[in-house]
Amino acid sequence: GQNIDQPTEMTATEGAIVQINCTYQTSGFNGLFWYQQHAGEAPTFLSYNVLDGLEEKGRFSSFLSRSKGYSYLLLKELQMKDSASYLCAVRDRDDSWGKLQFGAGTQVVVTP
Amino acid sequence: NAGVMQNPRHLVRRRGQEARLRCSPMKGHSHVYWYRQLPEEGLKFMVYLQKENIIDESGMPKERFSAEFPKEGPSILRIQQVVRGDSAAYFCASSPEGLAHNEQFFGPGTRLTVL
Repeated sequence: GQNIDQPTEMTATEGAIVQINCTYQTSGFNGLFWYQQHAGEAPTFLSYNVLDGLEEKGRFSSFLSRSKGYSYLLLKELQMKDSASYLCAVRDRDDSWGKLQFGAGTQVVVTP
Repeated sequence: NAGVMQNPRHLVRRRGQEARLRCSPMKGHSHVYWYRQLPEEGLKFMVYLQKENIIDESGMPKERFSAEFPKEGPSILRIQQVVRGDSAAYFCASSPEGLAHNEQFFGPGTRLTVL
């Protein structure tokens, strides 16, 4: 079966760094996505990894290790507006344009 | 360029009624996905459609639920004889044709409440 695990909640202070881990066990692999979702709003795309390594985009970076079934999202210089749920999602090999399998999301709380 | 549009944003139905949720993908996008999100849970895939075709409906309950994406007009997710357990946020996403790395763009969702 499919299994995508990420911590339920993380708390950090403004200006700090937070790393959100995601482990996955899927029948195939064709890319891993990170989305941000504020309460009551639509998920918005943050990053995509399909090859091993680090992808950096401003204050956000995402890392992937396919052999370990592991990814993390790194948020630097945290701002209050970064308080949101962060969703890890995997696309199976057989679904080139198909469905994403989502984890339950990690609620990040940024405190002053 | 308007994003993915969904309506209504909020829908209240009594048990046994029908719910129709609409999704207009982004301009130029031919792939539509429907997801359901229960409170405190992640997004669960329901169905993937291209124009006039259902590509993957493996996440959609066999009974009471149906989806379509006609040649003209929005995609429709239809829930017949709703029950309280259908109360959730239903998100539509779209993506263009092209490479596998194309992200899915999400609409604002329809929050269905069944009384």
